[in-house]
Amino acid sequence: KAGVTQTPRYLIKTRGQQVTLSCSPISGHRSVSWYQQTPGQGLQFLFEYFSETQRNKGNFPGRFSGRQFSNSRSEMNVSTLELGDSALYLCASSLERQGTGSYEQYFGPGTRLTVT
Amino acid sequence: QKEVEQDPGPLSVPEGAIVSLNCTYSNSAFQYFMWYRQYSRKGPELLMYTYSSGNKEDGRFTAQVDKSSKYISLFIRDSQPSDSATYLCAKGYSGGGADGLTFGKGTHLIIQP
Repeated sequence: KAGVTQTPRYLIKTRGQQVTLSCSPISGHRSVSWYQQTPGQGLQFLFEYFSETQRNKGNFPGRFSGRQFSNSRSEMNVSTLELGDSALYLCASSLERQGTGSYEQYFGPGTRLTVT
Repeated sequence: QKEVEQDPGPLSVPEGAIVSLNCTYSNSAFQYFMWYRQYSRKGPELLMYTYSSGNKEDGRFTAQVDKSSKYISLFIRDSQPSDSATYLCAKGYSGGGADGLTFGKGTHLIIQP
């Protein structure tokens, strides 16, 4: 079974631009969560989508948004990029919503975003 | 106080040694615990998860949870150079959703051949 895939793997943008990242979960998985990973803050939760609806949201500004499609694929968008948005953005998928008894989530390789 | 604490390392041990990685947490509401391994330039890989106190074993890996002390450990037996990676502990509570998952910043482990 194919794992979680994320595209693109690397991205360089300038301040003020916007960016869209894509995630394809493992086949059959309905929950997709997004995380930001930086050396200083570690892994921080952005949001979770399940059945095309945002179920949970972390403590990030409204510039960070996402959506999920009917095939469970998900995208996240960051508008008005800032230097501090440079990070590894990870997507994770699981069968069910987090905290409902399915504790296993599987991460993709991430998208390395550099903002200059 | 951070909710999940891990020593960032690096922790360097010789090949074949037993490795002990540890996490402490402050929120007693945490109910389930996970260990992830992350190689450089890769996403985290789920190694083990456990829902209760005590030990859980999987091959060379043993996860130990002590809820009374709010302390969890991962032991790696017969360590190999391929075990060199960053190990992240994660904790969550049932019904909390993904935002209930809290990760430590990871311990960087180096196994010397």
